[in-house]
Amino acid sequence: KAGVTQTPRYLIKTRGQQVTLSCSPISGHRSVSWYQQTPGQGLQFLFEYFSETQRNKGNFPGRFSGRQFSNSRSEMNVSTLELGDSALYLCASSYDRAGYEQYFGPGTRLTVT
Amino acid sequence: QQQVKQSPQSLIVQKGGISIINCAYENTAFDYFPWYQQFPGKGPALLIAIRPDVSEKKEGRFTISFNKSAKQFSLHIMDSQPGDSATYFCAARSDKLIFGTGTRLQVFP
Repeated sequence: KAGVTQTPRYLIKTRGQQVTLSCSPISGHRSVSWYQQTPGQGLQFLFEYFSETQRNKGNFPGRFSGRQFSNSRSEMNVSTLELGDSALYLCASSYDRAGYEQYFGPGTRLTVT
Repeated sequence: QQQVKQSPQSLIVQKGGISIINCAYENTAFDYFPWYQQFPGKGPALLIAIRPDVSEKKEGRFTISFNKSAKQFSLHIMDSQPGDSATYFCAARSDKLIFGTGTRLQVFP
């Protein structure tokens, strides 16, 4: 079974721009979560989706948004990029609705200049 | 109350030794406690997980010990190998997964 895939793997953007990251979950998994990983703040929860519905949202500004499609693929969007948004963005999928066993993708490394 | 405190920040162990990483939590609503292993340039990989109704779970060389009354849990890596050198994260979940700050483990031959 293929794992979680994320595209693109690397991205360089300029302050003020917006970016869209994509995540394809493991086949059969309907729950997708997004995390931001930085050296200073560690792994922080962004949001979680199940069957196209946002179940939970972390403590991030409204510039961070996401959605899930009917095939369980998910995208997250960051608008008006700031230097502090530079991070590794990780997507994780799980089979169950509660989102317990989460399997992570390799992440998208976003650099904002 | 949503924090998970992890220690130590870094750990150096000789090959064949036991690596022990500790985590503590406050939120009694947490009902699932996984450990993740992350290599540089990779996403975290689920290693082993435990529910609070169990005091210990073992999978190969990896063991989770769970103390519900003390609100603590730990990862033991027996017979540590250089290939175990990675960053380890504990986590806890109620309505979302909260991660500890990570422990960088280095195993020297």
